[in-house]
Amino acid sequence: DIQMTQSPSSLSASVGDRVTITCRASQSISSYLNWYQQKPGKAPKLLIYAASSLQSGVPSRFSGSGSGTDFTLTISSLQPEDFATYYCQQSYSTPRSFGQGTKLEIK
Amino acid sequence: QVQLQESGPGLVKPSGTLSLTCAVSGGSISSSNWWSWVRQPPGKGLEWIGEIYHSGSTNYNPSLKSRVTISVDKSKNQFSLKLSSVTAADTAVYYCAREDGRAVAGTDYYYMDVWGKGTTVTVSS
Repeated sequence: DIQMTQSPSSLSASVGDRVTITCRASQSISSYLNWYQQKPGKAPKLLIYAASSLQSGVPSRFSGSGSGTDFTLTISSLQPEDFATYYCQQSYSTPRSFGQGTKLEIK
Repeated sequence: QVQLQESGPGLVKPSGTLSLTCAVSGGSISSSNWWSWVRQPPGKGLEWIGEIYHSGSTNYNPSLKSRVTISVDKSKNQFSLKLSSVTAADTAVYYCAREDGRAVAGTDYYYMDVWGKGTTVTVSS
């Protein structure tokens, strides 16, 4: 099974900051990496698929990069609605697996 | 657009069987998608449980495989989850989700793009 590890587990930032979250896979997953945003009491929302493709309707301040084992999610200028928990997920093989999450909090 | 709605008992007794259904609306369960179950224990991260195709093909998380059954009912446009021998560790919000795919530079990539709102299941006597 493929293990996904995110860092950091939590992050404090201010509106307007540039933020980067990292995700590492335990083996190469090519570009089979997705990013989700989850707000309290809500289902996850797809942000990025195929490591760097922006899902329709997602603001362009979100971007993803990487391939193989190392990936990043970048938010170029934090907005108040971006404070949430972010998860990476591999779709290279089953069982699908998620990172443990990164909680983005307001500084 | 496709919408998913989970339903089922919110309380299950220890050693019992958890049974949930996900109703698909705005689209057909017989489309070229896999249909998934994901759970989230209180205050914790997301765990993939398994998935099913309309043909009945399934994939399960090995950590739960001995206790999990996912089935599809094409006549009702829904799919279901059964988890047996539950304990308090199975207390979670359970989500159903659609896995879709898209070609990027000639390669198909897969992602869960439609999710139900989730249903809370508590295992307690």
